[in-house]
Amino acid sequence: DAGVTQSPTHLIKTRGQQVTLRCSPKSGHDTVSWYQQALGQGPQFIFQYYEEEERQRGNFPDRFSGHQFPNYSSELNVNALLLGDSALYLCASSWANQPQHFGDGTRLSIL
Amino acid sequence: QQPVQSPQAVILREGEDAVINCSSSKALYSVHWYRQKHGEAPVFLMILLKGGEQKGHDKISASFNEKKQQSSLYLTASQLSYSGTYFCGTEGETSYDKVIFGPGTSLSVIP
Repeated sequence: DAGVTQSPTHLIKTRGQQVTLRCSPKSGHDTVSWYQQALGQGPQFIFQYYEEEERQRGNFPDRFSGHQFPNYSSELNVNALLLGDSALYLCASSWANQPQHFGDGTRLSIL
Repeated sequence: QQPVQSPQAVILREGEDAVINCSSSKALYSVHWYRQKHGEAPVFLMILLKGGEQKGHDKISASFNEKKQQSSLYLTASQLSYSGTYFCGTEGETSYDKVIFGPGTSLSVIP
């Protein structure tokens, strides 16, 4: 039973570029949440998708957008990248009110 | 609002006990505990729902006082494998609210 998978594992971009990160939830999970984790800090909630709609959103600018597909997989898009966007981006999936399971993350570096 | 965790860091010798605290300024539906090792994804430890229950998992247990909006994680007879950063995640008043993580507590267990 595959867990949460994220791709790519590492990514290097330059300021102003756009990036798309992908997440496949654990089998049976229908809810996907995205988090940004800077070095030495806790994961910061970006948004949550359920039934292909954004259900909750954290304090992130509109440059951060997402999508959920009918198979429950999800994408995180970030436009106009800033140096401060460098972080580990974590995807977590869940079902009903069960605990979230995290993927290994995508390490995004902005030059 | 992000929950507050204490202490920020703790160093233990094998076999010693530790307590990590998590508190929130808002009413909570649940508290989630995760452990993250360096370079890895957070791993789910346990979830506590409002009702003041206490849960245990091997030598790791936790309590949740919903009136005080506080939770504590208890690690007894610590092992080297317990080293990592512990995060509490708090979920608001509904079971479908977003999970907000604290800044983490770094735990190092030495021989």
